[in-house]
Amino acid sequence: EIVLTQSPGTLSLSPGERATLSCRASQSVSSSYLAWYQQKPGQAPRLLIYGASSRATGIPDRFSGSGSGTDFTLTISRLEPEDFAVYYCQQYGSSPRWTFGQGTKVEIK
Amino acid sequence: QVQLVQSGAEVKKPGASVKVSCKASGYTFTSYGISWVRQAPGQGLEWMGWISAYNGNTNYAQKLQGRVTMTTDTSTSTAYMELRSLRSDDTAVYYCAREVAAAGTVGYYYYYMDVWGKGTTVTVSS
Repeated sequence: EIVLTQSPGTLSLSPGERATLSCRASQSVSSSYLAWYQQKPGQAPRLLIYGASSRATGIPDRFSGSGSGTDFTLTISRLEPEDFAVYYCQQYGSSPRWTFGQGTKVEIK
Repeated sequence: QVQLVQSGAEVKKPGASVKVSCKASGYTFTSYGISWVRQAPGQGLEWMGWISAYNGNTNYAQKLQGRVTMTTDTSTSTAYMELRSLRSDDTAVYYCAREVAAAGTVGYYYYYMDVWGKGTTVTVSS
């Protein structure tokens, strides 16, 4: 079973700053199977990035994804007030079919 | 627009069963699978299982095998998740999500969950 480890657990930043979130897999993951989601309190997760680097429909271009193999990154170029949330990486595999990282909380400093 | 509408909150006693529904609209139901994901209070996301709306094939998380059953009713474009022998640690928000398998440009597929229901709170308490 592939384990996804996200770091840091919490990121304290100010609006306008750059956020860099890491997702490390315990084994190599196909880039086409790696996605990122944003979740705000009381809301369902929202798809941000699929295929490691493709933005989902309607996602602002300040969100970008990169990486391959075991190391993937979600970057928010300039934080807007609405970007403070929890972010999860996710990978599609064989068993189990889906695995999530434990999440990174981006909070206002 | 594409949406998944889930059934309302449930309160159950330990040992009981719960069945949550997820009604799809705005797309061809049988062209996509549905995954179920739950989130315990203050915790992360846990994948529970998947069902193909095309042929009813299922794939469940190992820890839930034997307690969970996922079904679909294509006549109403609705997916169902039933969890039996409920325990206190099953208290969570349960989400359904549309699973996409989209062909890429170089012979591979992208997999992701692009539309989510708003969630159904299930509370297990004596």
